[in-house]
Amino acid sequence: EAQVTQNPRYLITVTGKKLTVTCSQNMNHEYMSWYRQDPGLGLRQIYYSMNVEVTDKGDVPEGYKVSRKEKRNFPLILESPSPNQTSLYFCASSLSGPPNSEKLFFGSGTQLSVL
Amino acid sequence: GENVEQHPSTLSVQEGDSAVIKCTYSDSASNYFPWYKQELGKGPQLIIDIRSNVGEKKDQRIAVTLNKTAKHFSLHITETQPEDSAVYFCAALGAWNNDMRFGAGTRLTVKP
Repeated sequence: EAQVTQNPRYLITVTGKKLTVTCSQNMNHEYMSWYRQDPGLGLRQIYYSMNVEVTDKGDVPEGYKVSRKEKRNFPLILESPSPNQTSLYFCASSLSGPPNSEKLFFGSGTQLSVL
Repeated sequence: GENVEQHPSTLSVQEGDSAVIKCTYSDSASNYFPWYKQELGKGPQLIIDIRSNVGEKKDQRIAVTLNKTAKHFSLHITETQPEDSAVYFCAALGAWNNDMRFGAGTRLTVKP
């Protein structure tokens, strides 16, 4: 089944403790992206990647890191999480990314709470 | 950069009625406008999209209209059913970048 898989679904952590949220897609998509969803703000892009070893900042990259060493994986790293990073996170992918391929496939989300 | 505003934030309709959600965008160069549906506990899923060279697009009970002059686009759902209850997001993609900007979302509730 074609899908984007995120792990974990739920994560509670404490301020300053490094964490990684994994994302994997099995559709051979070139484009991958991370979003955070906050009430009243919709989905805001954190980072995106057009292909292996190519990453770029989105709207809200501060406090986050990403890497794209393999085509299928795009982990999101929080080196020193803070309470304002408490949010619902989504990974998404598309065949080749905008503007040529815009349809995004989303994972099921990761609810992160930073205490 | 692009800014997308979405209204209303919540919408409640009776089953069988129509629902309309509206979005405005700021960048006149934007050329792609998708709508995503997010069911409880799931990620958003594309339900319909429209490009700037088209004024209207329909898919069964769902339609999207685009007014380029006014820079707004709308989602229309007819004969609503309880399974249409979800959060709906509009988005706009600029012609010169890779950044898909989303609206804040509309929580639609269809009462049986």
